[in-house]
Amino acid sequence: QKEVEQDPGPLSVPEGAIVSLNCTYSNSAFQYFMWYRQYSRKGPELLMYTYSSGNKEDGRFTAQVDKSSKYISLFIRDSQPSDSATYLCAMRGGGSYIPTFGRGTSLIVHP
Amino acid sequence: NAGVTQTPKFQVLKTGQSMTLQCAQDMNHNSMYWYRQDPGMGLRLIYYSASEGTTDKGEVPNGYNVSRLNKREFSLRLESAAPSQTSVYFCASSGETHGDTQYFGPGTRLTVL
Repeated sequence: QKEVEQDPGPLSVPEGAIVSLNCTYSNSAFQYFMWYRQYSRKGPELLMYTYSSGNKEDGRFTAQVDKSSKYISLFIRDSQPSDSATYLCAMRGGGSYIPTFGRGTSLIVHP
Repeated sequence: NAGVTQTPKFQVLKTGQSMTLQCAQDMNHNSMYWYRQDPGMGLRLIYYSASEGTTDKGEVPNGYNVSRLNKREFSLRLESAAPSQTSVYFCASSGETHGDTQYFGPGTRLTVL
């Protein structure tokens, strides 16, 4: 079992839908949680960064961390075709600054 | 402020040829990384450098060498390319911003025939 599990999708939704992307993990030492967005043929770009548990909101994006369940989520409200990309979760902790990445979920938002 | 830059963007090699992938960052970050990304495999760490003058192996270092030339630059060398090294290579850097969160370059798409 990988340390970080992420459903590869693809997840296809209509424009305007609320999208929920998720990762589960097994290492209880993880404290820093990130979401990256990667457009086709581009490098990953940092979307959200959260420390420890709780929620963080940035515009249409909300990152949620539930350390008791070892589960993190990224919610996208009012999804747009421009949100179509692969979303990678990443996390680190336990004294290591090297993150562990999920394999990414492909999201398709169709008009 | 260009962030992380990589050259070249594309490269085709024949088996056995050598090449160096270049990476530079202008964010004054201490740490730099090289990843490869393959379909279904996600990002895999090849080598990293915690600071100028130090390098360490990651998950998949075989067939690669690295040089941390100075604080800005971190190069990845393939001495004798193999078809299994066909991949997209990403350089990343991290510093104290956002607690060492990594920032990625645009990638180099390498094909080994």
